[in-house]
Amino acid sequence: DTGVSQNPRHKITKRGQNVTFRCDPISEHNRLYWYRQTLGQGPEFLTYFQNEAQLEKSRLLSDRFSAERPKGSFSTLEIQRTEQGDSAMYLCASSSQQGRAFFGQGTRLTVV
Amino acid sequence: QQPVQSPQAVILREGEDAVINCSSSKALYSVHWYRQKHGEAPVFLMILLKGGEQKGHEKISASFNEKKQQSSLYLTASQLSYSGTYFCGPDLDSNSGYALNFGKGTSLLVTP
Repeated sequence: DTGVSQNPRHKITKRGQNVTFRCDPISEHNRLYWYRQTLGQGPEFLTYFQNEAQLEKSRLLSDRFSAERPKGSFSTLEIQRTEQGDSAMYLCASSSQQGRAFFGQGTRLTVV
Repeated sequence: QQPVQSPQAVILREGEDAVINCSSSKALYSVHWYRQKHGEAPVFLMILLKGGEQKGHEKISASFNEKKQQSSLYLTASQLSYSGTYFCGPDLDSNSGYALNFGKGTSLLVTP
């Protein structure tokens, strides 16, 4: 069990650029979650996969944000045309069915 | 669908007790509790399943009242290491696509 791995750990990008983050969950976990967290706030739900199926997503993912989990293993989160308000920590978590969630260390995005 | 936590912040002296409440507007299947320290990823504390089960983790315990759609986290004889932000995350249905949607958190500071 190597835990949930997120890459990169830090990303600085210019406004308007696209960025993509990767999450490698714990191998036997079928559930994968993406969250966004800003300072002093709780993790804000973005989307959720069960295996390769994206079962739920917040309204935030209907525009510039998109996520995939093509083979039910790793997942990617893409943000297109980044804005300064996108600066945040992006957290990925995985779990087995109804089990505890294990969080990765996150990707800190700074949009300049 | 985001649960409501109270209080928003608590300051305790070492050895004192505290209660953190979490309530949902929808029927709950289970409730997860996590603690996050500054600059770190959230760490799992416990899961409570419906049935009014009370669980414990060291001197931290929790209850879950499915009829009232509420859960409470009890911190007994608090230690300095308990400082952090506590989040509850309910699961609404074991068969739905509903994912962990966390509350805004309760900030706990334990002082010497």
